[in-house]
Amino acid sequence: KQEVTQIPAALSVPEGENLVLNCSFTDSAIYNLQWFRQDPGKGLTSLLLIQSSQREQTSGRLNASLDKSSGRSTLYIAASQPGDSATYLCACLDDYKLSFGAGTTVTVRA
Amino acid sequence: GAGVSQTPSNKVTEKGKYVELRCDPISGHTALYWYRQSLGQGPEFLIYFQGTGAADDSGLPNDRFFAVRPEGSVSTLKIQRTERGDSAVYLCASSFDSNTEAFFGQGTRLTVV
Repeated sequence: KQEVTQIPAALSVPEGENLVLNCSFTDSAIYNLQWFRQDPGKGLTSLLLIQSSQREQTSGRLNASLDKSSGRSTLYIAASQPGDSATYLCACLDDYKLSFGAGTTVTVRA
Repeated sequence: GAGVSQTPSNKVTEKGKYVELRCDPISGHTALYWYRQSLGQGPEFLIYFQGTGAADDSGLPNDRFFAVRPEGSVSTLKIQRTERGDSAVYLCASSFDSNTEAFFGQGTRLTVV
C-alpha cells in the first residue's frame, strides 16, 4: 500500500520568502504525482501534475520536481504572497487511485 | 458545467438517517471517484467508476455505503443508518480516463448529530 508523507505539517513564512514543501512516497511505481491546493472548507484545486517520466513541471511561480528512485517530490513556490496561504497536498496516482499525504498548511505573513 | 459539481455543499443529519450525496462530473469524463476527508487528514479513496460500473469499491468502509452511476455521468453516494463517525467531507473527482489528471469538486460536508 502506498504511503505518502508530507513534512512539515505546518509552515509560517514572511511575505516574499520562497517556500519549499516536501512529499515522500514508499512505492515508486506511480503513473503521476499531483500537487493540490486546498483552502479552508473548500475542495481541491490541482496545481501541477508530473508524469512518471518527467523530472519537473512549472507553472508561473510554482515548480515541482519528482525523483521516483528516491520516492520524493518537492514543490517550490517563489516569492510567496499572503494569497498563497492554504494547505498543500501531494498525491500519487497508481492504478487509478490517488494516495494523499496529510498536507502542509502554509501561512504567509504580510 | 465547467467543473465537477457536488450537492449539497453541507448536510446535517441525525444519527440513523439515510443520506444521498450527488456528484456531477465534467462532461466527457469517463472516470469518477469518491474520496472522504476527515479533519486534518488527506482524502481517502472510497470508490472508482469507469463508465457505469464500479470498477473498484474497496475503499467503502462497510455495507452501509453504496454508490451508483447509472448512466455513466452523475453519481450518487448513499449512506444508510448514518453514524457520528461518518461525519467528514465527501469529495468527488472525475478524469478523462483512469490515469489522467483528476479534477475535484468542492465537496459535501456531512455532519451526523
